Amino acid sequence: TQLLEQSPQFLSIQEGENLTVYCNSSSVFSSLQWYRQEPGEGPVLLVTVVTGGEVKKLKRLTFQFGDARKDSSLHITAAQPGDTGLYLCAPRSSNTGKLIFGQGTTLQVKP
Amino acid sequence: GAVVSQHPSRVICKSGTSVKIECRSLDFQATTMFWYRQFPKQSLMLMATSNEGSKATYEQGVEKDKFLINHASLTLSTLTVTSAHPEDSSFYICSATVGVEAFFGQGTRLTVV
Repeated sequence: TQLLEQSPQFLSIQEGENLTVYCNSSSVFSSLQWYRQEPGEGPVLLVTVVTGGEVKKLKRLTFQFGDARKDSSLHITAAQPGDTGLYLCAPRSSNTGKLIFGQGTTLQVKP
Repeated sequence: GAVVSQHPSRVICKSGTSVKIECRSLDFQATTMFWYRQFPKQSLMLMATSNEGSKATYEQGVEKDKFLINHASLTLSTLTVTSAHPEDSSFYICSATVGVEAFFGQGTRLTVV
């Protein structure tokens, strides 16, 4: 089983602040995905990173895949209350399609 | 994107009874679906892989006789929590994959009293 550690587990910040959450493992992944889950709903895919060192941007969200493809980070610039949610990373199994999620980072952005 | 629908969204049942949760792919066919369980303020834990026309594959530590999975058609998988107890109270979510993206149902909040 591939173990993914996400940090921090909980983060409460004020609107307008920047933040970074991390997803680390000792395993090498062919690709890794980030999802966001809002309370009472299912997760929604944000991004898939595939290439070591890859950087992808989604508006105020910047995702980076480590050079060795063992870790990833998500940076949010000028956080908004709408960014509140549970952020989950998971390596994607190309064979089965199943996802084993990290522990997640619960983000609360206060107005 | 693809749509996965779960029903019911909330259910309260008495201890000892069984509860069935449905997961449907509305605009695509899914030979494989996945069932997850989520406790408050925690991540999603994969319970099992539901395979159309064959037996489900359960993750380690998940009781297959407790959580019965049936995937009788290409658009429907069901999870039945048998002889439910209060410790089975949780948020259950299903998903199906289209290409590289997993689409999740809205989840089912199960409360066993």
